[in-house]
Amino acid sequence: ETGVTQTPRHLVMGMTNKKSLKCEQHLGHNAMYWYKQSAKKPLELMFVYSLEERVENNSVPSRFSPECPNSSHLFLHLHTLQPEDSALYLCASSYSFGGDYNEQFFGPGTRLTVL
Amino acid sequence: QKEVEQDPGPLSVPEGAIVSLNCTYSNSAFQYFMWYRQYSRKGPELLMYTYSSGNKEDGRFTAQVDKSSKYISLFIRDSQPSDSATYLCAMKRTGGGADGLTFGKGTHLIIQP
Repeated sequence: ETGVTQTPRHLVMGMTNKKSLKCEQHLGHNAMYWYKQSAKKPLELMFVYSLEERVENNSVPSRFSPECPNSSHLFLHLHTLQPEDSALYLCASSYSFGGDYNEQFFGPGTRLTVL
Repeated sequence: QKEVEQDPGPLSVPEGAIVSLNCTYSNSAFQYFMWYRQYSRKGPELLMYTYSSGNKEDGRFTAQVDKSSKYISLFIRDSQPSDSATYLCAMKRTGGGADGLTFGKGTHLIIQP
């Protein structure tokens, strides 16, 4: 595997279900991100982890719970979601040190549908 | 006022045309400006980034930043059908560090063969 991978690629869940999204990066980066991409809206930053510590939580509802067990893996745990949470969830990774520009590399996303 | 404004399109042009895509922004703290390309059912991939004001060229692509007007542009010369995608502008305050990106909505571009 290369780059940033995400599983599953598609997920359909009911409002009472609990599910998790997984992201893995194979680039040796030390920062990971969750973004939400909804139709007709800009990509929205949800969470940022640097060196496995959460450094940003962008006012995301508590029904979304991130977990970063190590610098290569990032999870997004989902529970009691709403239909408006249906979106493409994108994971990204980058380096988090140095003064020069650190490119963020994106995975293919998980298309989530909440019924 | 939204932080980053971008016309979602769609923008449809014939093959070989010069394409102009642009974004405006309101936060003067942004210093790094990126253009990402996103094909259907794929994640965004970085095309170019520019630091502060100025131009940057890479093959058929040219990025321009005018910080005084808070306006950025991406030009595509000799456009090809394979350029058909959604183009997202993105910005951040710092280069290094683990800062999230602030995106525009994206412009859906269609190059007609």
